[in-house]
Amino acid sequence: KNQVEQSPQSLIILEGKNCTLQCNYTVSPFSNLRWYKQDTGRGPVSLTIMTFSENTKSNGRYTATLDADTKQSSLHITASQLSDSASYICVVTYNTNAGKSTFGDGTTLTVKP
Amino acid sequence: DVKVTQSSRYLVKRTGEKVFLECVQDMDHENMFWYRQDPGLGLRLIYFSYDVKMKEKGDIPEGYSVSREKKERFSLILESASTNQTSMYLCASRRTGTDTQYFGPGTRLTVL
Repeated sequence: KNQVEQSPQSLIILEGKNCTLQCNYTVSPFSNLRWYKQDTGRGPVSLTIMTFSENTKSNGRYTATLDADTKQSSLHITASQLSDSASYICVVTYNTNAGKSTFGDGTTLTVKP
Repeated sequence: DVKVTQSSRYLVKRTGEKVFLECVQDMDHENMFWYRQDPGLGLRLIYFSYDVKMKEKGDIPEGYSVSREKKERFSLILESASTNQTSMYLCASRRTGTDTQYFGPGTRLTVL
């Protein structure tokens, strides 16, 4: 069964600190892995996408890594800001043409001043 | 910028009512999707459409139907709403040949 598990479920950090969110997946076949940011009351917005051959991708203060051998990904946030408070969702696509993806349940990040 | 809009942000309906959730995208995307998002379960695909009048069942289509009469509009229909359909519903669109899905703001549906 295709599964995407994220940890921790929730995280509270102080403004300016770094943090790392984890994603483990058992999805097969693998097409790509994407991290989304979902602000409260809004739809998810894509942060990064990685294919099998990519092991790191950055978007500003967000850096995603992918280890296709261990089927793990992480999202590292540097110098956190209050606006980083959101849910971060890991999504693994296994059939791009058919729009088939498995979504993780997300990690809720709260950044406090 | 791609814009995906959903007809309502919040909706309250009674058990047994017929419910229509509308989604419109303005970027001429071929593919459109309906998901529901529940705590502990993540986003789950209900239906998707890859062209006008074309639809495919997702992972949890039971109790739902869809309509795509025009390219820019994708409707989700609950023929007879039930309390277990209380959820956040998210619509998304994607251009064929690309990987990025663009999501709408979501509709939080409560069925009493």
